[in-house]
Amino acid sequence: QQQVKQSPQSLIVQKGGISIINCAYENTAFDYFPWYQQFPGKGPALLIAIRPDVSEKKEGRFTISFNKSAKQFSLHIMDSQPGDSATYFCAASKGSARQLTFGSGTQLTVLP
Amino acid sequence: DAGVIQSPRHEVTEMGQEVTLRCKPISGHNSLFWYRQTMMRGLELLIYFNNNVPIDDSGMPEDRFSAKMPNASFSTLKIQPSEPRDSAVYFCASSRDVGYEQYFGPGTRLTVT
Repeated sequence: QQQVKQSPQSLIVQKGGISIINCAYENTAFDYFPWYQQFPGKGPALLIAIRPDVSEKKEGRFTISFNKSAKQFSLHIMDSQPGDSATYFCAASKGSARQLTFGSGTQLTVLP
Repeated sequence: DAGVIQSPRHEVTEMGQEVTLRCKPISGHNSLFWYRQTMMRGLELLIYFNNNVPIDDSGMPEDRFSAKMPNASFSTLKIQPSEPRDSAVYFCASSRDVGYEQYFGPGTRLTVT
């Protein structure tokens, strides 16, 4: 059972454009929603995270939008750069243990 | 400070052989997680430890897999006997405590032929 569904599987954006990746979850007990960035040959690294008591969180060019009623959240990358080319994973967890359930990943390519 | 250290980075073995993957968490972190990443199943949590004690091993696929954490600075994930379907990238991650950000190691790419 896939508890966190992520789309699209791949995304190509021009430099300077906006990249948008979407995730939907099923378990209403989830209370922590991080996004991870993974470069080839590296482990995932935490990019930004949100809790369901806010609808938006922004850190630099990265913004998470959260819709609790729709059980959806998305990552927006403004002014996308070639260096942003990586695989992005959304995740969700519940409780204090923070056992992460990951989405399937989105391979982002930003063209120069 | 050094991040999470995993060894080996690449492992190629034949079906039926025993495989041992190693992880050194970040110093001072007391939670450790083992993940497996495949194209088909994505990133899956296999097991996690807190203060060297296994807390949840429900993600371990079968009895061929075992994990230990004999002390705060070392953990192993063992597969015996290995099978081709075990081929994947195995990540170790650590965090300061449960509920805090997890820092991932570079992973071990395992190929079982």
